[in-house]
Amino acid sequence: QQQVKQSPQSLIVQKGGISIINCAYENTAFDYFPWYQQFPGKGPALLIAIRPDVSEKKEGRFTISFNKSAKQFSLHIMDSQPGDSATYFCAASRGDYKLSFGAGTTVTVRA
Amino acid sequence: KAGVTQTPRYLIKTRGQQVTLSCSPISGHRSVSWYQQTPGQGLQFLFEYFSETQRNKGNFPGRFSGRQFSNSRSEMNVSTLELGDSALYLCASSLYPIPGQSTDTQYFGPGTRLTVL
Repeated sequence: QQQVKQSPQSLIVQKGGISIINCAYENTAFDYFPWYQQFPGKGPALLIAIRPDVSEKKEGRFTISFNKSAKQFSLHIMDSQPGDSATYFCAASRGDYKLSFGAGTTVTVRA
Repeated sequence: KAGVTQTPRYLIKTRGQQVTLSCSPISGHRSVSWYQQTPGQGLQFLFEYFSETQRNKGNFPGRFSGRQFSNSRSEMNVSTLELGDSALYLCASSLYPIPGQSTDTQYFGPGTRLTVL
């Protein structure tokens, strides 16, 4: 039973475009929502994270939007670059150091 | 500061054997978590250790076990290997785990790629 549902499975975007990845959760006890980026042969690296008391958080070209009432959150990658081509995972946890991950989205940025 | 290190990086075993994987957390980090990553099941939580105690466990059979040493280094063991255990095993460490509070940042190592033949 997947606690965090992520879509789309993959997406292709042109260089300079915007990539949008969506996640939804059911467990209202979740209170920490990180996004990870993973390149082939590497472990996931934390990109950005948000807690439910904030509706949006921006770090550089990466923005998380959080909708607590809808139990949804999304990652926007602005001005996408070829180096952003990777797999992105959303995750959630409830203070127990147990991250529940989405299935992942493979992003391909075409030059 | 050095990141999370995992050894070995690659392992090939046969069914029925057992395997031990090692993880050294970032210096000063006291919480270590383990995850299994497969194409079919994605990233799944195995267990988390703090101060040599397992505080949380995922839905894996008892063949999967782990431990943490006084220096925060951790090992996980898989006994009686099955073909389905082939996966990337990831270790992650956190700085100051405070029970009941939101998960602090978890930093992942590069993983150990286990292949079971």
